[in-house]
Amino acid sequence: GENVEQHPSTLSVQEGDSAVIKCTYSDSASNYFPWYKQELGKRPQLIIDIRSNVGEKKDQRIAVTLNKTAKHFSLHITETQPEDSAVYFCAASIPQNRDDKIIFGKGTRLHILP
Amino acid sequence: NAGVTQTPKFQVLKTGQSMTLQCAQDMNHEYMSWYRQDPGMGLRLIHYSVGAGITDQGEVPNGYNVSRSTTEDFPLRLLSAAPSQTSVYFCASSPLLGYNQPQHFGDGTRLSIL
Repeated sequence: GENVEQHPSTLSVQEGDSAVIKCTYSDSASNYFPWYKQELGKRPQLIIDIRSNVGEKKDQRIAVTLNKTAKHFSLHITETQPEDSAVYFCAASIPQNRDDKIIFGKGTRLHILP
Repeated sequence: NAGVTQTPKFQVLKTGQSMTLQCAQDMNHEYMSWYRQDPGMGLRLIHYSVGAGITDQGEVPNGYNVSRSTTEDFPLRLLSAAPSQTSVYFCASSPLLGYNQPQHFGDGTRLSIL
């Protein structure tokens, strides 16, 4: 079935270190992979996305890599800061008859330790 | 632009009661969707719509109805509320996902069923 798996569920890193969150997807036709950040009590907000014709994308301290053959993609955050503490969700598009739908992973709670 | 507006922000219902969660967007987006968020479960798609008069089921549609009479509005109806529907509900909108555009989320509705 349609599935997006995300690991780890919880991640703690020292401030200044890097954090990596990994996701796998099941539908080989998926072609759009957004990442959202959700702070406590707030709405999810897009931080970066990648399309299937690109293997890597960077935006300052955040990067996403995509391996379509293996059906997995990862979020990399470098030089972590206290404001990076949040829940992060990966997602993948699933083509349907009329349009796509977006399926989310279960989230990773990232703690940045002082 | 107000973006995606959800009302109410909080609601407490008794088992068996009905209610409608409202969602409106002012970005002229064709695609709208409803998600529920439960601890450890991520964001699960309930229903989605690719335009006025068109709706489709997501991952967890049972117990919920939707309609899309206008581009701007996408209400979610609970016909007979159950405790299992206690959750945070998010509405989102975007251009059609086939264009690989990110979804914009509302602030959520926190619903408790007693």
